[in-house]
Amino acid sequence: AQSVTQLDSQVPVFEEAPVELRCNYSSSVSVYLFWYVQYPNQGLQLLLKYLSGSTLVKGINGFEAEFNKSQTSFHLRKPSVHISDTAEYFCAGSHGGSQGNLIFGKGTKLSVKP
Amino acid sequence: DAGVIQSPRHEVTEMGQEVTLRCKPISGHDYLFWYRQTMMRGLELLIYFNNNVPIDDSGMPEDRFSAKMPNASFSTLKIQPSEPRDSAVYFCASSRTGNEKLFFGSGTQLSVL
Repeated sequence: AQSVTQLDSQVPVFEEAPVELRCNYSSSVSVYLFWYVQYPNQGLQLLLKYLSGSTLVKGINGFEAEFNKSQTSFHLRKPSVHISDTAEYFCAGSHGGSQGNLIFGKGTKLSVKP
Repeated sequence: DAGVIQSPRHEVTEMGQEVTLRCKPISGHDYLFWYRQTMMRGLELLIYFNNNVPIDDSGMPEDRFSAKMPNASFSTLKIQPSEPRDSAVYFCASSRTGNEKLFFGSGTQLSVL
């Protein structure tokens, strides 16, 4: 069965520092991978997605993620964070072409401090 | 477009009462999803519809939960009778096709006392 694991439940970081939020997936077949962000009291918004092609995916708000098949990882990175990036970030994966079977990780709370 | 609209934003009810959550997807979106979010279990897919037809309801916790989509612009998630362990944030999401990103509503915070 496919699963998505986010290794850190909370990540505190200072403003303008780089950040990496880790995500690993398990699957015996090709996967589609996503990162969503949830700001307080809001629904989730798509940050970026990997379906195929280039393994480095760029998303909104300066975030990017790299698909690494050998390490079954899809870590999210940003070179310099802002206070406004404080939110919860969810990694998700699905088999094949349907997002109907999205499996979400437990989420990582990113706290950016001044 | 106003996005995915959910109502109510907050619902407080007593154990045993019926609860109905409502969702209006984005016009033109053929897929509609219901998710539940809790601290313990994270985000769980409860059920999703394609063209108003339920495709996968394997995530619905038990018979107390039911979902309908009578037309392309409206869906309900009903819990009857409600229990304290149903307390969670319930999200509705829609997408144009199964391959495109999900658009989430703001959620309904349900508290069952």
